[in-house]
Amino acid sequence: EDQVTQSPEALRLQEGESSSLNCSYTVSGLRGLFWYRQDPGKGPEFLFTLYSAGEEKEKERLKATLTKKESFLHITAPKPEDSATYLCAVQAGDYKLSFGAGTTVTVRA
Amino acid sequence: DAGITQSPRHKVTETGTPVTLRCHQTENHRYMYWYRQDPGHGLRLIHYSYGVKDTDKGEVSDGYSVSRSKTEDFLLTLESATSSQTSVYFCAISDPGGHNEQYFGPGTRLTVT
Repeated sequence: EDQVTQSPEALRLQEGESSSLNCSYTVSGLRGLFWYRQDPGKGPEFLFTLYSAGEEKEKERLKATLTKKESFLHITAPKPEDSATYLCAVQAGDYKLSFGAGTTVTVRA
Repeated sequence: DAGITQSPRHKVTETGTPVTLRCHQTENHRYMYWYRQDPGHGLRLIHYSYGVKDTDKGEVSDGYSVSRSKTEDFLLTLESATSSQTSVYFCAISDPGGHNEQYFGPGTRLTVT
C-alpha cells in the first residue's frame, strides 16, 4: 500500500524566513510525485509534478526536489500570500493519487 | 482555472436520506475522481471513472455509488447518508494523455445531522 507522510503538520514563518517542507513516501513503481497548494475553503491547486530522483521544479518562491524516498518543497523568502496548506501526492502503477495529510504554512508579516 | 464545477456547494441533510453530488467539467478529460477530505486524513479516493459508464472503487467506497453517463458529468450518491459521511467532497479530473496531474473542483461541504 502506498504511504505518504508530510512533516511538519504546521509551520509558522516570519516573512522572509526561508524553510522546507518534507514529503516522504513508500510506493512501488513511482510514476510521479505531485505538489498542490490549498487555500481555506477551496480545492487543491496543482503546483508541480516530479518524475525521477534528482529532478527539480521552480515556481516563484517555491522549489520542489525529489529523491528516491522523499521530496522537499522549499519556500524562499516567503510572503504572507504563501500561507496555505501544501499537499503532496504520489502516483504508482495506475492513475490514482495517494495524498499526505498536508503541511499548513502560516507566514506572518 | 480548469473548467470544473460542483453542485451543490453546501448541503445539510438528515441521517438516512439519499444525497447526490454533481461534478461537471468542460475540459473533455477522460478521468474523473471523487475524494473526501477530513481533518488529519488528507484526501481519500472514493470512486473514479476512466470513461463513460466505466467506474471503479477507491479506498473509501463503502456507502457511496457513482454514475457517469456523459463525459462531462460524474455523480456521487450517498445512498443513505450517515453522520460519518459529513465531510468536504472534491471532484477532480485528469487527462492520461497529458502529464497525469489532477485538477480539482471547488468542493462541496456536506453536513449530515
